[in-house]
Amino acid sequence: QLVLTQSPSASASLGASVKLTCTLSSGHSSNAIAWHQQEPQKGPRFLMKLNSDGSHRKGDGIPDRFSGSSSGAERYLTISSLQSEDEADYYCQTWGTGTWVFGGGTKLTVL
Amino acid sequence: EVQLVESGGGLVQPGGSLRLSCAASGFTFSSYWMNWVRQAPGKGLEWVASIKQDGSEKNYVDSVKGRFTISRDNTKTSLYLQMNSLRAEDTAVYYCARGNSDGKGYWGQGTLVTVSS
Repeated sequence: QLVLTQSPSASASLGASVKLTCTLSSGHSSNAIAWHQQEPQKGPRFLMKLNSDGSHRKGDGIPDRFSGSSSGAERYLTISSLQSEDEADYYCQTWGTGTWVFGGGTKLTVL
Repeated sequence: EVQLVESGGGLVQPGGSLRLSCAASGFTFSSYWMNWVRQAPGKGLEWVASIKQDGSEKNYVDSVKGRFTISRDNTKTSLYLQMNSLRAEDTAVYYCARGNSDGKGYWGQGTLVTVSS
């Protein structure tokens, strides 16, 4: 079964960097994923598509501070030079056969 | 500029029906899979349904199969979700989302559906 696992919460200081993790279930370690950001009381925003080799394609207007990387079944979203507006929920998503699968989301707090 | 604008949400009694619409612009609508995704209050994102470019293939999450129907009108660049036999657990903000496997994704702003007596 295709499942994405995310830590429920993360925190980092203003100006620092943070690395969020999304883990693909067994047998799906070659899947690409997408990262989405959801600021409080707003709709989701597509950040990037991240491939198993770490290559990624970012959405419209996504700052260079956002980057992606991969290692085995893990997919990472790194946000550098954290700003207050980065405080949000971050969801990973992958593709089944005509379906989408979401991780449970990580709530990022900027201290 | 890509725009996805949902409408049709509201308050409905359990067992009732509602039809959501999503008006798309700024891209070649007929070239993309389209999706509905929902978010219950305080919860995460849940994919609900998807439809192929020409409408020939449709997929649903198990919890809505037999109750919800996704459809599209490529001449009107619009996506729809017909929701029947609504339950309290269908209460959520419903988002329209363009297929994103090409590395570019877009979301609408959402429309709230509340199922309550």
